[in-house]
Amino acid sequence: DQQVKQNSPSLSVQEGRISILNCDYTNSMFDYFLWYKKYPAEGPTFLISISSIKDKNEDGRFTVFLNKSAKHLSLHIVPSQPGDSAVYFCANTDKLIFGTGTRLQVFP
Amino acid sequence: GAVVSQHPSWVICKSGTSVKIECRSLDFQATTMFWYRQFPKQSLMLMATSNEGSKATYEQGVEKDKFLINHASLTLSTLTVTSAHPEDSSFYICSARDPSREGQPQHFGDGTRLSIL
Repeated sequence: DQQVKQNSPSLSVQEGRISILNCDYTNSMFDYFLWYKKYPAEGPTFLISISSIKDKNEDGRFTVFLNKSAKHLSLHIVPSQPGDSAVYFCANTDKLIFGTGTRLQVFP
Repeated sequence: GAVVSQHPSWVICKSGTSVKIECRSLDFQATTMFWYRQFPKQSLMLMATSNEGSKATYEQGVEKDKFLINHASLTLSTLTVTSAHPEDSSFYICSARDPSREGQPQHFGDGTRLSIL
């Protein structure tokens, strides 16, 4: 059972500061982890992925870190913008089993 | 970027009607597509995996005779809600796996809001 879990239901960050979203997993057998963001009444949007052979992947303002020993990954957004306010999900590449995600709110 | 088109975006119909929802990958070929539903204030729930040229794989608890899935081409999957009833009212979202990108991410449609009267 490839379970991923986001323990923080919400996060509030000031515009321009760093947002850090966390995700823990239980099964080490994976090729990639993915991060998505979702606005209300829309489908999720793919943001960034990380391979199991890497510990970091960066794309513009988004950086994902992977700590395999801790079975933990995190998404860093810097600088945070009000348009980043959404629900963020981490998922593996098999089936995308969504948890409840983390609701990020970026305030001016 | 990759685009997945889902149609229609909103359906209101009478109980007993069958409703077809289309999911198209517009700029890549998708051998695998997925169908999700979302109830208010709940997360997305995977209903089934749609494989081009073969039968769909349904998640536990999802009635395959109720939710008919057809994936006849590399760019099109359809979900038909047969004899829909008010309890089928929900937000349905499809996604298509892009095999050409690192991590093979799924790209999602904008969803279909189904309301059964």
